[in-house]
Amino acid sequence: GVTQSPTHLIKTRGQQVTLRCSSQSGHNTVSWYQQALGQGPQFIFQYYREEENGRGNFPPRFSGLQFPNDSSELNVNALELDDSALYLCASSTGQGLSGANVLTFGAGSRLTVL
Amino acid sequence: SQQGEEDPQALSIQEGENATMNCSYKTSINNLQWYRQNSGRGLVHLILIRSNEREKHSGRLRVTLDTSKKSSSLLITASRAADTASYFCATDERNAGNMLTFGGGTRLMVKP
Repeated sequence: GVTQSPTHLIKTRGQQVTLRCSSQSGHNTVSWYQQALGQGPQFIFQYYREEENGRGNFPPRFSGLQFPNDSSELNVNALELDDSALYLCASSTGQGLSGANVLTFGAGSRLTVL
Repeated sequence: SQQGEEDPQALSIQEGENATMNCSYKTSINNLQWYRQNSGRGLVHLILIRSNEREKHSGRLRVTLDTSKKSSSLLITASRAADTASYFCATDERNAGNMLTFGGGTRLMVKP
């Protein structure tokens, strides 16, 4: 399946954080979502073949990378209190094919910003 | 922003009863999916219904889609305590790439 690390972390305002994800074997697309407490996941961005392939309404201090082995990173600079959330990585396959975007999620990384 | 709005936000039922959750959305879609989340962990895909389908079944799950009303419902029959979770609808919008847009979720509690 999809594995994420770390599972929990605490940062202070202004710091930077890197979250990591390893996609399910055979999946070539990775998406990142932010889920605030009690809300649904919000799309941050998606990567396909190591290129950003769509972005939600998040500022540039949210950035990502996808590596040739389909692992990926989410980087957040200049952390703000509102960045406290569960960050979910999801992988999928069949880029561009209708109905192919069924997501396999990791368990998430819970970030607390103090 | 969230495309889907789910109703009710919370639902509490007894084991054996049926649970119905509704989702409304705003734009044209390719498909609509339902996911389940236990205790703030990762989401698990339950079922996908395409825009040209009206009803779909999977085990104890029944999903309907009404594109004219831009709404969907998820029915869980003969609920079990293990069904306690949050349920989210997610839409694959046309002309929006391959992202899924999630609703706010329905928190279901099934009492033994």
